[in-house]
This record gives sequence, C-alpha cells and structure tokens, in this order.
Amino acid sequence: EAGVAQSPRYKIIEKRQSVAFWCNPISGHATLYWYQQILGQGPKLLIQFQNNGVVDDSQLPKDRFSAERLKGVDSTLKIQPAKLEDSAVYLCASSGTSADYSYEQYFGPGTRLTVT
Amino acid sequence: EDKVVQSPLSLVVHEGDTVTLNCSYEVTNFRSLLWYKQEKKAPTFLFMLTSSGIEKKSGRLSSILDKKELFSILNITATQTGDSAVYLCAVEVPSQGGSEKLVFGKGTKLTVNP
Repeated sequence: EAGVAQSPRYKIIEKRQSVAFWCNPISGHATLYWYQQILGQGPKLLIQFQNNGVVDDSQLPKDRFSAERLKGVDSTLKIQPAKLEDSAVYLCASSGTSADYSYEQYFGPGTRLTVT
Repeated sequence: EDKVVQSPLSLVVHEGDTVTLNCSYEVTNFRSLLWYKQEKKAPTFLFMLTSSGIEKKSGRLSSILDKKELFSILNITATQTGDSAVYLCAVEVPSQGGSEKLVFGKGTKLTVNP
C-alpha cells in the first residue's frame, strides 16, 4: 500500500513570499490532516478535512494560511505571505473511514520550510 | 486549553539501559492516548491506550495508562542505538466538527549511545 505523499520535501523562501505544499493521502482515506511542527515541539494540528469538507480549522492562522481539498483526495496548504515564524516541518496525515480512533493516522514525510 | 506534557525533554543513555518516558495530560474530553516514534520526519504509531491499568507490549516497548492520575508511561528495556528517536505522546480529543483530533506533547528526545 502506498503511503502518504508530500511535496516538495524542502523549501526555502524569503519572508513575505508565498508557498504551497501538496499532499496525496493513502487511497480511500476520508480524513486528511495538516500539522505544523516547529523545531523542538510536537506537531500542532492546523486543519482537518473529512472528504472535501473542513472539520476543524480552529488553529489555522486564517489571515495567511489557507487549505483546500478538492474532490476529497489531494490537498494543498498555502501560506501567503510567509513570516519567519512559519519555519517548520509541515506534516500531512490521513486516516481511513473506519477510523473512530485517530491511531490509524498515517503520516507523510513532511515538507521542511525555511523562511529567511 | 487541552495540554499534554512530556518529561524528560531529552535523555541520553547507554545501550542496554532501561528507560521510562512520562506523559501527563489535562484535557476536557479524553478519548485515548497514543505514543509515536519520530526518527526523521514522519511519526510512526507505537501504541494506543484507552483503559487504565492495561499494559500494552510490543517487543522491548511497553506502555500503561492511569486515567485517574492522568498520565502514561512508555518503557523501553535493553535499549539499542536504533531506539534513538523523539518519542511523542498524543491525546485524542473531540474536534470542532464532531470528529477526533490529536493534541501532541513536545516529545522526549532519546539518545542511546553504544
């Protein structure tokens, strides 16, 4: 079974530029999550989708971050404009339709963003 | 605000040692507690605990939950250099839309020296 795919793996941008990350979840997984993991911290949930609808975006900084999941499959996360404090690893995870338990979350390799 | 606190934040041991990692939590609506191992980037699942006092084991790793005192421990016996990683504790709580989400602690960075 193919895992969660993310691209790019690394990105370096200057502050005030914009950036987009892409995630392809495991085939058939209905729930998709974007996490931000700052160095030395645990992952923090930014947004959770169930199919193509947003379930929880309470911790998403909506003035600069946006995310979409068209057709309930792939997802993109965008930052516009980026700030220095956005430097982090952005992790995408997915879980299956039978997942009453989040332990079924499978994580992608992440995108390491550096904002200079 | 839901909170998960792990201790110690970092630990250095020698191969063969036994280690205990701690996780305490304060959440409004507990569903389960999970342990993950993060070696490079993607966390990989270790255990899920929902009931107090029932130990989960996988090889040299074991974990137990105390829902009265609101904590969990992860034990690793006979440590090996391959156990070097960040160990993340997460608590599952309800999310906004009626589903569930994970709240993570900062992690414990374990280094096992040969």
